[in-house]
Amino acid sequence: DTAVSQTPKYLVTQMGNDKSIKCEQNLGHDTMYWYKQDSKKFLKIMFSYNNKELIINETVPNRFSPKSPDKAHLNLHINSLELGDSAVYFCASSQETAGGGEQYFGPGTRLTVT
Amino acid sequence: GENVEQHPSTLSVQEGDSAVIKCTYSDSASNYFPWYKQELGKGPQLIIDIRSNVGEKKDQRIAVTLNKTAKHFSLHITETQPEDSAVYFCARSTGGTSYGKLTFGQGTILTVHP
Repeated sequence: DTAVSQTPKYLVTQMGNDKSIKCEQNLGHDTMYWYKQDSKKFLKIMFSYNNKELIINETVPNRFSPKSPDKAHLNLHINSLELGDSAVYFCASSQETAGGGEQYFGPGTRLTVT
Repeated sequence: GENVEQHPSTLSVQEGDSAVIKCTYSDSASNYFPWYKQELGKGPQLIIDIRSNVGEKKDQRIAVTLNKTAKHFSLHITETQPEDSAVYFCARSTGGTSYGKLTFGQGTILTVHP
């Protein structure tokens, strides 16, 4: 069974469109994250939710809006897509956060904006 | 700040040799230091981690050392194998109210030649 799953795996779209990426974890974790990995492989956190509550919101354009319908799901909606949004987006989840703990990453969604 | 510097950016070794990747951090409140391995087309996966109250940790061919005074930590892989070829990321967090926010290094592309 896949622990953290994301759909779609690939997403090609044009500038100005709105798109969503879905994430689900079956690990029973309380915390979920969205990361962006750019073309140079640099990984940077975007958002984190703990029990459906937003707790980390890095300096991300407000065109990006995460939504957590329940603690097993964290979706990412992107409005008015721009060329610079092209990247691989990873969802992750973890149980322990207070003292640091393993984060389980999904397989990634490669977004290409043309 | 929260930045993490990772070196080298690429590392090429012969099978059976050792590989060492080093990271330095600036935030003295950092207390959790994981290492992630990312294979091509996959999400990062935790391979080993260390907390600030420990100086060294080993798991089979992988070891991590932490020097809190100098604010650097290193990953050591012995008896490298071709399947160790991947991108390796160091990271740090402060736990507590940071809710598991990880700051990643820039990554090291490790190539093990058979």
